[in-house]
Amino acid sequence: EVQLVQSGGGLVLPGGSLRLSCTASGFTLPNDYMTWVRQTPGEGLEWVANIKPDGSEKFYVNSVKGRFSISRDNTKNSLYLQMNSLRAEDTAVYYCGGGGKLGALDIWGQGTKVIVSS
Amino acid sequence: DIQVTQSPSTLSASVGDRVTITCRASQNINSWLAWYQQKPGKAPKLLISKTSTLESGVPSRFSGSESGTDFTLTIGSLQPDDSATYYCHQYNSYSSYTFGQGTRLEIK
Repeated sequence: EVQLVQSGGGLVLPGGSLRLSCTASGFTLPNDYMTWVRQTPGEGLEWVANIKPDGSEKFYVNSVKGRFSISRDNTKNSLYLQMNSLRAEDTAVYYCGGGGKLGALDIWGQGTKVIVSS
Repeated sequence: DIQVTQSPSTLSASVGDRVTITCRASQNINSWLAWYQQKPGKAPKLLISKTSTLESGVPSRFSGSESGTDFTLTIGSLQPDDSATYYCHQYNSYSSYTFGQGTRLEIK
């Protein structure tokens, strides 16, 4: 089965760090940008970050610039999101996505919940 | 950054109805617009890419169109399984994506 399998969420104190992982299963990470998207409780979807196939270009939503870092290891078929200096407003379900549709996300991870709270 | 305004925020319709959801982009996005369906507790599912390309396995009652910077998702004959939240997504540039606010579709 073709899927993206996520791990790494959880409860973290404000100011803390977490690393999310997303591993392709049943296929090879596409030769296309990969994406992280988040969804706050009861709210809509928010784009977080994109990374070029070779990792040479990375883009972020303004609210996470300087705190989050997207990366990928194509040899491990995996995508990552390092989240530092976490804030309460970063609390959300985080999804990885991609799929070779030139930006449209046709494969999604199952989502991982991040809760930033004291 | 490109803004996307989606309407309506909620919609109630009956089985068999024709339903339309609209997204307006703040500037030209060269047809780089996708539509997703999301059910509670699940990841979004891609329905349509590049304004009007129906994804494999998606029922043909779903269609997409554009007029300038206005984009429309149409469900031709509403079915009970179509109860969900729908999002548009502009991906004109890899440097910045935007999602619409979502439309919650309820079946009467």
